[in-house]
Amino acid sequence: SSELTQDPAVSVALGQTVRITCQGDSLRNYYATWYQQKPGQAPVLVIYGENNRPSGIPDRFSGSSSGNTASLTITGAQAEDEADYHCKSRDSSGNHLMFGGGTKLTVL
Amino acid sequence: QLQLQESGPGLVKPSETLSLSCTVSGGSISSSSYYWGWIRQPPGKGLDWIGNIYYTGSTYYNPSLRSRVLISVDTSKNQISLKLTSVTAADTAVYFCARLGEYSDSSGSYFPFDYWGQGTRVTVSS
Repeated sequence: SSELTQDPAVSVALGQTVRITCQGDSLRNYYATWYQQKPGQAPVLVIYGENNRPSGIPDRFSGSSSGNTASLTITGAQAEDEADYHCKSRDSSGNHLMFGGGTKLTVL
Repeated sequence: QLQLQESGPGLVKPSETLSLSCTVSGGSISSSSYYWGWIRQPPGKGLDWIGNIYYTGSTYYNPSLRSRVLISVDTSKNQISLKLTSVTAADTAVYFCARLGEYSDSSGSYFPFDYWGQGTRVTVSS
């Protein structure tokens, strides 16, 4: 299929580890890119490629992939990590992009 | 520091054409080999890719919007533009422009959206 599926909401206790997943057939061929978005703000790039963080993104954020599922893991979640997380990949043509529906992360 | 700023009408009537611009500062669109994109976000929903344009004018569009979308580049103004025709209430959204950066590692090259504008809210209503 040409869709990316994310859980609408996930919660994590402060300081614990959380995994946010993204499923789709295209992820068998292309890595997911992950964006963090806080209310009223533009998205921010957090993970690209196999597991790469742009400058300024804390190392508690990591990415992984297996089969048709990509994961964003936050190890030791902080209060400031509460946000929406969006995955993005390419479709089967490789020329078109698509986003998942987004996951709202709540840090308890 | 690269900055992107969207601009355009905040209110568009149904069946009319939505027109937005994105002005890039801190870098030249024509001197760098990057793609630039438009993404939108309906209220309370996820991100929706609209399309990308290269500084030469080469474009890729979301197949679901292709019949209504035109993205263009004006290197003299350092701007990219979006036109979306025959709008309906479903086109109400915050519209973002963004740059696709180019990054490489041992596994390959990647083109994530690395710089974003703040977004501009567009409401389609009579």
